[in-house]
Amino acid sequence: NAGVTQTPKFQVLKTGQSMTLQCAQDMNHNSMYWYRQDPGMGLRLIYYSASEGTTDKGEVPNGYNVSRLNKREFSLRLESAAPSQTSVYFCASSRDNSNQPQHFGDGTRLSIL
Amino acid sequence: AQKVTQAQTEISVVEKEDVTLDCVYETRDTTYYLFWYKQPPSGELVFLIRRNSFDEQNEISGRYSWNFQKSTSSFNFTITASQVVDSAVYFCALSESATGGFKTIFGAGTRLFVKA
Repeated sequence: NAGVTQTPKFQVLKTGQSMTLQCAQDMNHNSMYWYRQDPGMGLRLIYYSASEGTTDKGEVPNGYNVSRLNKREFSLRLESAAPSQTSVYFCASSRDNSNQPQHFGDGTRLSIL
Repeated sequence: AQKVTQAQTEISVVEKEDVTLDCVYETRDTTYYLFWYKQPPSGELVFLIRRNSFDEQNEISGRYSWNFQKSTSSFNFTITASQVVDSAVYFCALSESATGGFKTIFGAGTRLFVKA
């Protein structure tokens, strides 16, 4: 049972390059989320998708775009990467966007030079 | 605005000691949910517990226990007889209503070191 799968696991980019982080879940969950984790700041919500066909901004959406491709997949795009976007990115899913616990992927460690 | 404060950045204990991780939250909603997650050194995040705002009963699961007090807006987590495997970063999180359902805010986390 794969759960939430993120690709790639590691990536190094140059400033200004673009990149799409992929996320897929096989638990038939309705809601999906993208977070970034920075030292001393916990996890901050970038975007979320409460259900297929909807997306909403979280705490720190600037510089990112998302696509809920279908129920399983939710991608995060950096159009023009900046060093401030160096972080560990986590994708998560939950049965619905209410009181359900979130299931997390293993994370993508992204460095922007 | 919702907010979660984990004032303890790092805690170091010796194996078999009890340890309490503090979590204080702010919200204007009457209906909200509180969570604890564990992030071991391997990096994945693991769900530990969920509590809704109407249920102030404390909960015990093995060596883990949680104390929810609405009067002080706190949801503290105690590990009894800590073990080396408990070494991890622990996150407290708050979910309250937002566009499309609920929005979850995480605290900054508490890193727990358990020494043998």
